[in-house]
Amino acid sequence: GESVGLHLPTLSVQEGDNSIINCAYSNSASDYFIWYKQESGKGPQFIIDIRSNMDKRQGQRVTVLLNKTVKHLSLQIAATQPGDSAVYFCAENDGSDTGTASKLTFGTGTRLQVTL
Amino acid sequence: SAVISQKPSRDICQRGTSLTIQCQVDSQVTMMFWYRQQPGQSLTLIATANQGSEATYESGFVIDKFPISRPNLTFSTLTVSNMSPEDSSIYLCSVTIGREQFFGPGTRLTVL
Repeated sequence: GESVGLHLPTLSVQEGDNSIINCAYSNSASDYFIWYKQESGKGPQFIIDIRSNMDKRQGQRVTVLLNKTVKHLSLQIAATQPGDSAVYFCAENDGSDTGTASKLTFGTGTRLQVTL
Repeated sequence: SAVISQKPSRDICQRGTSLTIQCQVDSQVTMMFWYRQQPGQSLTLIATANQGSEATYESGFVIDKFPISRPNLTFSTLTVSNMSPEDSSIYLCSVTIGREQFFGPGTRLTVL
């Protein structure tokens, strides 16, 4: 089927290496950030989130880093696997509903390609 | 978590016609959202649908073009009216549970 992310920036990573996907946001009032993974033909799936009072949060094989000074968010995937191939979006809460997941603003997305 | 289904999963429509997309959730939720994802692009929020009140539309989206129904806490519909090829997109519904937002699989619409 048609793939999302046909015109999105692409990151190619060899299987087993670590991946770093970056995202810049513009709203300094945003206080809640989420990373989503979207595989072809599917809706976005929640990966990990972080509140603005934190700089780092770790999950299983994933770490999110938040730098509020430069309004930058990154997703690190350890030991990247073929199943990690997808489009990754960052999303931010616009601050009007503090601490909730409503009214998300999505970044442009990055396509991760895992090579064998 | 939430299990969200959408109907149809895809459709090909003629310009000038309308299509209604259904979204069903397996639990009662207060807030439901409709997003559009144009080819190769990110997600854009169309509107927020709360049960018992009018939907709230984001800038650039109007009720006449995208009427929304929310008859109960588990169901919503989005209609894409008087379609043109520019409406070709994936339309996704989503719900908030706790602080997480879950998405349906999307409806892939192609307008000829």
